[in-house]
Amino acid sequence: NAGVTQTPKFQVLKTGQSMTLQCAQDMNHNSMYWYRQDPGMGLRLIYYSASEGTTDKGEVPNGYNVSRLNKREFSLRLESAAPSQTSVYFCASSEAWTGYEQFFGPGTRLTVL
Amino acid sequence: DQQVKQNSPSLSVQEGRISILNCDYTNSMFDYFLWYKKYPAEGPTFLISISSIKDKNEDGRFTVFLNKSAKHLSLHIVPSQPGDSAVYFCAASLYNFNKFYFGSGTKLNVKP
Repeated sequence: NAGVTQTPKFQVLKTGQSMTLQCAQDMNHNSMYWYRQDPGMGLRLIYYSASEGTTDKGEVPNGYNVSRLNKREFSLRLESAAPSQTSVYFCASSEAWTGYEQFFGPGTRLTVL
Repeated sequence: DQQVKQNSPSLSVQEGRISILNCDYTNSMFDYFLWYKKYPAEGPTFLISISSIKDKNEDGRFTVFLNKSAKHLSLHIVPSQPGDSAVYFCAASLYNFNKFYFGSGTKLNVKP
């Protein structure tokens, strides 16, 4: 039981490059989330998916797209990376029976030069 | 503008004493509150939660207090242990639990 896994752990991009951050959970949770963590800002919600087939914007969705591929997987895509997207990205999942506690992955540290 | 605020970026406490971490929020519609703990290079892990219908919830050494009129919650850790040294985030959610709003975190250092 791996919980929430994220790939890659680290990534360096040049401005304008694209990439996809992968997230998978094996807890059969319906809800999945993408956050970014910046110094002094805490975690800010980028996008979330309340169930398979649905996605919604969070607080800071600009510059990102998401895909809920199936119940297990939720990916985050940066189409044209910008230095302002340098951050640590966390994926999380939750379910009603967990008391809405969110289970987080280990994070992806992304640097955009 | 942040809807959940943790105004103390850091807190230092002696081992065995009480640690009190504070959190304020602006949206009176928040229905559910959680505390997470985060070690470096790891994702946050859930610590304790409280519903807006309660004013206190305990789990071992951890107690969360909610003051709805003041829009304030606090996390008490008694007794504090060196292993409690981490960053603590509070988070709040509306009734639908789809969006969680996090504070900026408080770094707790428990000195042996």
